[in-house]
Amino acid sequence: QQQVKQSPQSLIVQKGGISIINCAYENTAFDYFPWYQQFPGKGPALLIAIRPDVSEKKEGRFTISFNKSAKQFSLHIMDSQPGDSATYFCAASKGNQKVTFGTGTKLQVIP
Amino acid sequence: DAGVIQSPRHEVTEMGQEVTLRCKPISGHNSLFWYRQTMMRGLELLIYFNNNVPIDDSGMPEDRFSAKMPNASFSTLKIQPSEPRDSAVYFCASSLEFGISNQPQHFGDGTRLSIL
Repeated sequence: QQQVKQSPQSLIVQKGGISIINCAYENTAFDYFPWYQQFPGKGPALLIAIRPDVSEKKEGRFTISFNKSAKQFSLHIMDSQPGDSATYFCAASKGNQKVTFGTGTKLQVIP
Repeated sequence: DAGVIQSPRHEVTEMGQEVTLRCKPISGHNSLFWYRQTMMRGLELLIYFNNNVPIDDSGMPEDRFSAKMPNASFSTLKIQPSEPRDSAVYFCASSLEFGISNQPQHFGDGTRLSIL
């Protein structure tokens, strides 16, 4: 049972463009929504996270938009750079219980 | 600061052999997680510990898999006997449980396991 659905599976964006990755969840008890970034040969690393009491969180070029009523959240990468090329995972959890990960989006930023 | 340390980084062994993966969590973290990552199934949680006690092992695929955490600074994931379908990257992660606040999980760089 997949509780967090992520799309697209892969994404190609030109340098300087906006990368958008979308996720939808089912469990309304989730109260923590992190995004992880994974480079080849490395483990996932926390990129940015949001709680459902805010609709947007921005850290540098990375922004999470959160729509509680639609049970959807998305990651926007502004001014995408080749160094952003990685796999991105959305996730959700309740409290400090186990995290449910999305299936991942492989982002390629081309010069 | 040292992150989560996993060993070995790569393991190649023959079917039927015992495989032991090791993890040293970040000092002071009291939650530890074992994940398996494959192209087909993505990132799957196998088991997690809190204060060295297994809390949820519902993701452990079969009795061939076992995990232990004898102390706060060490955990093992064992597969016996191993099968080719166990080939994957295995990640260990740790986090600091902090009441109702949510703390990020810190991942190691994984062990790439190949069963021939």
